[in-house]
Amino acid sequence: GNSVTQMEGPVTLSEEAFLTINCTYTATGYPSLFWYVQYPGEGLQLLLKATKADDKGSNKGFEATYRKETTSFHLEKGSVQVSDSAVYFCAPSPYNTDKLIFGTGTRLQVFP
Amino acid sequence: GAVVSQHPSRVICKSGTSVKIECRSLDFQATTMFWYRQFPKKSLMLMATSNEGSKATYEQGVEKDKFLINHASLTLSTLTVTSAHPEDSSFYICSARGPGTEAFFGQGTRLTVV
Repeated sequence: GNSVTQMEGPVTLSEEAFLTINCTYTATGYPSLFWYVQYPGEGLQLLLKATKADDKGSNKGFEATYRKETTSFHLEKGSVQVSDSAVYFCAPSPYNTDKLIFGTGTRLQVFP
Repeated sequence: GAVVSQHPSRVICKSGTSVKIECRSLDFQATTMFWYRQFPKKSLMLMATSNEGSKATYEQGVEKDKFLINHASLTLSTLTVTSAHPEDSSFYICSARGPGTEAFFGQGTRLTVV
């Protein structure tokens, strides 16, 4: 079946630290891969995506590379800011469907 | 980005009553809407997918008679929790997408059944 595993949070970092949030998935076929972010009091927003192997999605300084061989899509940012504090969700979308399979979400807390 | 409005944001109801949650796409036509349920510290679980003008497709294990979904127009979908019980208390989230667009999410509805 389709599933996704994310590292449990909260992840607590100081401003300008390096961020990695791990995500691995199982899915039939070749899914598209997404990261969503939920800021406090807001709905989920698309952060970045990758639709095929070795693609790198990037946005707002965040990056994630579609690794087919390890079925992973780890989220990284070189220097986090306090404003990056939010909950991050990894979500594969199985091939040829509109569905998103969500992980549990990882809360990131960035302190000045 | 596009806006999806979900209403109400919080609702408390008595056991045995029904509750309706609305999901509106404010600036685009949502040909497909999704309803999710989120338990504390758990992932979002897809409940059903609805396409405008047709019956919703429910995920395995979701009771279609309990969670009634209507997608009568390109800007509105509703989820009605019928004969609610305390175990239905949860956080419900809708998302909507138009042709060729990404999915946009509502802010969610916290349902508490007492």
